[in-house]
Amino acid sequence: TQLLEQSPQFLSIQEGENLTVYCNSSSVFSSLQWYRQEPGEGPVLLVTVVTGGEVKKLKRLTFQFGDARKDSSLHITAAQPGDTGLYLCAGGRRAGNMLTFGGGTRLMVKP
Amino acid sequence: GAVVSQHPSRVICKSGTSVKIECRSLDFQATTMFWYRQFPKQSLMLMATSNEGSKATYEQGVEKDKFLINHASLTLSTLTVTSAHPEDSSFYICSANPGTDYGYTFGSGTRLTVV
Repeated sequence: TQLLEQSPQFLSIQEGENLTVYCNSSSVFSSLQWYRQEPGEGPVLLVTVVTGGEVKKLKRLTFQFGDARKDSSLHITAAQPGDTGLYLCAGGRRAGNMLTFGGGTRLMVKP
Repeated sequence: GAVVSQHPSRVICKSGTSVKIECRSLDFQATTMFWYRQFPKQSLMLMATSNEGSKATYEQGVEKDKFLINHASLTLSTLTVTSAHPEDSSFYICSANPGTDYGYTFGSGTRLTVV
């Protein structure tokens, strides 16, 4: 059973479209992180959210942590081919402790 | 920024041989490192937590005698896949927390192919 349910699993869109990826759990996390991974490489941290209701923006990417700290979303505005990759959410319960990963969302942005 | 260096990036080995993968924290000390396994088009699955100076903690279903972990210093953890078989072929990734804002740094991964 996946503790973190990520949806959609796969998304193929045209350049310029907007999209949202969801990460949901029945468990409370002290932090929620989003990573992006390209083939043959390790995941790269995009953002960490730690406060319920927190919203963080990274250029065209907007991250939100649910009020109850059980869910999170990643919204990409005007997607570009360079956004193509595997997006992973991961929950942590304590700083330095292990992460629980969602199943990942494979995004393909077509030019 | 904090960097985790993982080597080798790719390795091909024969069935029955052992392969060692190294994970180094380059500019910070890591008392704990994490080893993941990733199958094609899937997410990361935690295999074990490596603890400096003590035994690793393995996740359920991971054979500790097959995946030997050594964390002898604050900057180096190694994963040895012993008596490798084709089903061990996978992408192995290590990570550590440099202590900043809950963020974890990942190595670049090792693609293991057992033939």
